[in-house]
Amino acid sequence: EAGVAQSPRYKIIEKRQSVAFWCNPISGHATLYWYQQILGQGPKLLIQFQNNGVVDDSQLPKDRFSAERLKGVDSTLKIQPAKLEDSAVYLCASSSGTSGRGSYLSGELFFGEGSRLTVL
Amino acid sequence: AQSVAQPEDQVKVAEGNPLTVKCTYSVSGNPYLFWYVQYPNRGLQFLLKYITGDNLVKGSYGFEAEFNKSQTSFHLKKPSALVSDSALYFCAVRDGNYGQNFVFGPGTRLSVLP
Repeated sequence: EAGVAQSPRYKIIEKRQSVAFWCNPISGHATLYWYQQILGQGPKLLIQFQNNGVVDDSQLPKDRFSAERLKGVDSTLKIQPAKLEDSAVYLCASSSGTSGRGSYLSGELFFGEGSRLTVL
Repeated sequence: AQSVAQPEDQVKVAEGNPLTVKCTYSVSGNPYLFWYVQYPNRGLQFLLKYITGDNLVKGSYGFEAEFNKSQTSFHLKKPSALVSDSALYFCAVRDGNYGQNFVFGPGTRLSVLP
């Protein structure tokens, strides 16, 4: 079974430029997450999708971050304009299950390798 | 809201010795608890989880964890550490009753010395 695919693995940009990250989850996984992991910290949720709908984007800085999952499969996370503090690893994760209880809540997350962003 | 604490930034053990990585949590409802490992420049890999049932859960690579409801803890253990276990370990919690998202701890860096 193929894992969660992310690209690019590394990106270096200057502040105020824009960047986009792509994620393809495990086939059949309805739920997709984007996490931000700053060096030395645990992952922090940015946005959660259930199929192509947003479940939770309360911690997404919407003035500069946007994300979409148009066909309920792969997803794109965009930052525009980037700030120095956006330097981090952006992790995509997916899990199986639907929006109901049970397997949705008890299922573990499967992570991609991450996209490391450096803003100069 | 749920939270996770990993009181030790770093744990060092000698190869062959037992290891423990500590985790305590706070949730309003029933806790769903997870451990993940992260190797350099890699994503997080799932190790094990506690949902219900036996308080001692076994996972990948010989790791196990013990759920203690009274102490709100979920410590990760391994009877005999390997140098290859050296990595960053994250504990995560989800509130089973309210469907909140995963909350991760700050991580503990495990160093196994040869």
